[in-house]
Amino acid sequence: GQNIDQPTEMTATEGAIVQINCTYQTSGFNGLFWYQQHAGEAPTFLSYNVLDGLEEKGRFSSFLSRSKGYSYLLLKELQMKDSASYLCAVKDSNYQLIWGAGTKLIIKP
Amino acid sequence: IAGITQAPTSQILAAGRRMTLRCTQDMRHNAMYWYRQDLGLGLRLIHYSNTAGTTGKGEVPDGYSVSRANTDDFPLTLASAVPSQTSVYFCASSEGSGSYNEQFFGPGTRLTVL
Repeated sequence: GQNIDQPTEMTATEGAIVQINCTYQTSGFNGLFWYQQHAGEAPTFLSYNVLDGLEEKGRFSSFLSRSKGYSYLLLKELQMKDSASYLCAVKDSNYQLIWGAGTKLIIKP
Repeated sequence: IAGITQAPTSQILAAGRRMTLRCTQDMRHNAMYWYRQDLGLGLRLIHYSNTAGTTGKGEVPDGYSVSRANTDDFPLTLASAVPSQTSVYFCASSEGSGSYNEQFFGPGTRLTVL
């Protein structure tokens, strides 16, 4: 079966750095996406990785290792507005997104 | 209209009733999707459409039907609602269905079936 695993909840301090991990087992791989979802709102796109390595976009970076079936999202200089759920999703061999359950990130002052 | 709109925002429905959730996008995206989101579970794909006139089944299609008569609209119908269909429903669209095509999401419909 297809499976995306990520921690259920993480807590971090304002101004700090946090790394959210995602491991996956899917039938085929056509890219990995990270989305942010604030409570009661729709998911919004953060990043896309299809090749191994690090993609940096402002305070957010995403890393991919295809051989290990592993990705992480790195958030720097945390702000209170970063409190949200972070969803990892993999596009499988049918080009459909398989989603993890999401990691709820709590930022404390 | 800007992006994707969904209607209604929320609905309480008696079991056995028929219900259509509406979704409209103005980005001229070819692909559209319906997901349900339940607590503790990832988004699960119900149905999708890669282009107007075609539809496909996702992971959890039973009890749901869709149509794609034109590019902009992608309604989701529950023929006879059951309590297990209580969920938040998101419609999404993307320019295409290939590898790199980020999906844009509507605001969601919160459905409660009693």
